Amino acid sequence: TQLLEQSPQFLSIQEGENLTVYCNSSSVFSSLQWYRQEPGEGPVLLVTVVTGGEVKKLKRLTFQFGDARKDSSLHITAAQPGDTGLYLCAGPHSGGYNKLIFGAGTRLAVHP
Amino acid sequence: DTAVSQTPKYLVTQMGNDKSIKCEQNLGHDTMYWYKQDSKKFLKIMFSYNNKELIINETVPNRFSPKSPDKAHLNLHINSLELGDSAVYFCASSLWEEVSTDTQYFGPGTRLTVL
Repeated sequence: TQLLEQSPQFLSIQEGENLTVYCNSSSVFSSLQWYRQEPGEGPVLLVTVVTGGEVKKLKRLTFQFGDARKDSSLHITAAQPGDTGLYLCAGPHSGGYNKLIFGAGTRLAVHP
Repeated sequence: DTAVSQTPKYLVTQMGNDKSIKCEQNLGHDTMYWYKQDSKKFLKIMFSYNNKELIINETVPNRFSPKSPDKAHLNLHINSLELGDSAVYFCASSLWEEVSTDTQYFGPGTRLTVL
C-alpha cells in the first residue's frame, strides 16, 4: 500500500520565520505534487516535481524531490500570513488511472 | 469564470434521506473525480470518470452512485444518508495527461452534514 506521511501535522509560527514541511513514503513515486488548501476552498496545485533531486522555486517557496523519489520537502522563507493554509502532498498511485494518493496534510498558521 | 463548480455549497439533511451533489467543469477536461475529505482533512478519491466511463471506483458503500451525463458534468447521488457520511465532498477535473504532469483542478467543495 502506497502511503504518504506528512510532518508536522500542525505548525504555528510568526511572520518572517522560515519553515520546512515534509512528505515521506516507503514507496517510490513517479512524481509528487504539493497543493495548498485554504478554508472553505478546494486544493490548488502549487508544483509538481518529477525528477529525483529536483528543486523548484515558486517565489518564497522551495520544493525538493528526494533523490530516491520517496520523499519531498517544502521550505518557506520569511513566511507571511497569506501563507496560512493546509499544505497537501500527493502522488500518483502505481496502479495508474491518474489516481492520486494524498498525505494527511500540514496545517500552517502564520501570525502577524 | 468558474473552472469547476459544485452545488450546493452546504447541505444539511437528516439520516436516511437521499441527496445529490452536482459538479460542472468548463475546462474542456476529459476526466472528472469525486473526493471525500473527512474531519481530519484527509482527502481520499472515491470515483473517477474518463469520457463518461467509470475508471476508478474505490471501496465506497453502494449507497453512493456517481453519474456522468456528459464530459462536463459529474453528479454524486447518496442514498440512505448516515452520520458517517458527513464530510466535505470535492469534485475535480483533469485533462488525463501523462500521469507525472496531469493537473487536477478542484471545485470549492460541498459540506455535507447529516443529523
